[in-house]
Amino acid sequence: SQQGEEDPQALSIQEGENATMNCSYKTSINNLQWYRQNSGRGLVHLILIRSNEREKHSGRLRVTLDTSKKSSSLLITASRAADTASYFCATISGGYNKLIFGAGTRLAVHP
Amino acid sequence: DGGITQSPKYLFRKEGQNVTLSCEQNLNHDAMYWYRQDPGQGLRLIYYSQIVNDFQKGDIAEGYSVSREKKESFPLTVTSAQKNPTAFYLCASSIQQGAFNQPQHFGDGTRLSIL
Repeated sequence: SQQGEEDPQALSIQEGENATMNCSYKTSINNLQWYRQNSGRGLVHLILIRSNEREKHSGRLRVTLDTSKKSSSLLITASRAADTASYFCATISGGYNKLIFGAGTRLAVHP
Repeated sequence: DGGITQSPKYLFRKEGQNVTLSCEQNLNHDAMYWYRQDPGQGLRLIYYSQIVNDFQKGDIAEGYSVSREKKESFPLTVTSAQKNPTAFYLCASSIQQGAFNQPQHFGDGTRLSIL
């Protein structure tokens, strides 16, 4: 079952621009996590936002969470070619660390 | 460096054959997970294990089997009953299964194809 749905499915921007990806989910959550996947590699954890938090920053990343709308956004500021990857949101519901992933947003940053 | 090692990176399966994917972690994590990723899609949970000698089915366990005899190791067997095994398989671990505010750490995957 797929909990998170990312939007857009693909995003193409120039270096230096900001990239915004959105995630919507269906049920109440404990937390929401964002992961990055470079082509042919495993996932790397970027940031975790708890259900009682509204915004979180990590370097060039900014994540917001709106539990009333069941949505989250990931903003990458001043993007670089090295940010080219797929980005996934994942949610946890209930008492176990069982992640449910969306289908991801493919980001291409052109030099 | 601590991490998760998956092997092999590429694996080919013949009809009717069982194949085993290896996953080893030296992070001293209690919980381990196997996911399947199909092209352009997110990850789907196959099996997970909270502790040694214990594991539970995920969302798509049919045609797969696992064991957890050691804390460091969580091998996945893709059996001949899995009729569509071609996919990218990812292993992950986290500190504790019940610690739901902990991130998961991933290996670099095994790509399985049918001959």
